[in-house]
Amino acid sequence: EMQLVESGGGLVQPGGSLRLSCAASGFTFRTYWMSWVRQAPGKGLEWVAHIHPDGSEKQYVDSGKGRFTISRDNAKNSLYLQMNSLRAEDTAVYYCARAEAYCASGVCRTCFDYWGQGTLVTVSS
Amino acid sequence: DIQMTQSPSSLSASVGDGVTITCRASQSISSFLNWYQQKPGKAPKLLISAASSLRSGVPSRFSGSGSGTDFTLTISSLQPEDFASYYCQQSYNAPLTFGPGTKVDIK
Repeated sequence: EMQLVESGGGLVQPGGSLRLSCAASGFTFRTYWMSWVRQAPGKGLEWVAHIHPDGSEKQYVDSGKGRFTISRDNAKNSLYLQMNSLRAEDTAVYYCARAEAYCASGVCRTCFDYWGQGTLVTVSS
Repeated sequence: DIQMTQSPSSLSASVGDGVTITCRASQSISSFLNWYQQKPGKAPKLLISAASSLRSGVPSRFSGSGSGTDFTLTISSLQPEDFASYYCQQSYNAPLTFGPGTKVDIK
């Protein structure tokens, strides 16, 4: 059975750091793009970052550039998000999501076909 | 960045009603549009990818259409388990962006 299990959330002061982890099982982790998606309390979904299957390519939402780092360890079937200089507006449930590729007219893009249960990050003094 | 809008932001409907949700992209995204359903306290669930491809296990009362900038999600006959929020998401370009969501509740 496919599973994504996030951990590492919690309460952190503004300016602090936190490292989120996502443990994957039930599929060949090393062959998939992976993403982090967050949802502030009572708000909509916001994509945060994604990473190529071999870790060679990473992209971030503008508000995370320079503060967040996505990484993965394919030997451990794990995805990570290092978050530094945290702000109150980073308060959210952070989801780990698998990105499945689909192609049309020779161009391939992705959809988030499996999600973890989420981990809550609260940035507050 | 590609901006996604959805309408309506919320709607009230009864079991058995047909419902249509519209999603618009600020520029053409071809057919790289996905739809998700989210229930309170739960992770989103993928319903439709590539604008119109129904995912395995998703009931056939759900359908998607559109290309370019305008897309729709249709639920042909609402069931009690369909009361939830629905989000569109473009995967054409990074940053990947979601629409603001449409909340479907019981009339």
